[in-house]
Amino acid sequence: EAGVTQFPSHSVIEKGQTVTLRCDPISGHDNLYWYRRVMGKEIKFLLHFVKESKQDESGMPNNRFLAERTGGTYSTLKVQPAELEDSGVYFCASSHQMTSGSFASYEQYFGPGTRLTVT
Amino acid sequence: AQSVTQLDSQVPVFEEAPVELRCNYSSSVSVYLFWYVQYPNQGLQLLLKYLSGSTLVESINGFEAEFNKSQTSFHLRKPSVHISDTAEYFCALLTGGGNKLTFGTGTQLKVEL
Repeated sequence: EAGVTQFPSHSVIEKGQTVTLRCDPISGHDNLYWYRRVMGKEIKFLLHFVKESKQDESGMPNNRFLAERTGGTYSTLKVQPAELEDSGVYFCASSHQMTSGSFASYEQYFGPGTRLTVT
Repeated sequence: AQSVTQLDSQVPVFEEAPVELRCNYSSSVSVYLFWYVQYPNQGLQLLLKYLSGSTLVESINGFEAEFNKSQTSFHLRKPSVHISDTAEYFCALLTGGGNKLTFGTGTQLKVEL
């Protein structure tokens, strides 16, 4: 099966501009997650979708970040307007739906990431 | 609140030598633990996991990790490293009922000839 894909792989934008990152999860995975790694720091959770619904968005830094998952398939993460501190690598991950007695949903499969540089 | 600590940011080691990458966690509830690896210019790959059962878990490429509840640790070991093991390794924690992974800051393993 195809893995998690992310587009673009790199993006360089100026402060104040808008950028949209896309994530295509593994087919059939209901859970989709966004994480971010700012240079030199740990990878941090941003938010979690179950199908098209936001289950947990406690990690979103502020209202300049908007995530969507229309139709419960691919997801987009928009940053508008971008600031210097938004630079980092944005990872997307997906996992199976949760079912009682199964750990399958606990295994998250990551995409290659999008490296965002705001200048 | 849960947290993961990887004390070693970089670990240099010669090829064929043993290596241990340390990971300690803090959580007040049941935990599930993972090691992810990121090879140069690639994404994160799941290396191994502890979900339940045997506390010693192994990967297909010779790494192993042992869940130690009393010491709240999940150290990663390999008896003999290869140059191709050069990568960044991340320890991560998932608490029972939750879905978000909490990561450590990563350990850069550099294998030298």
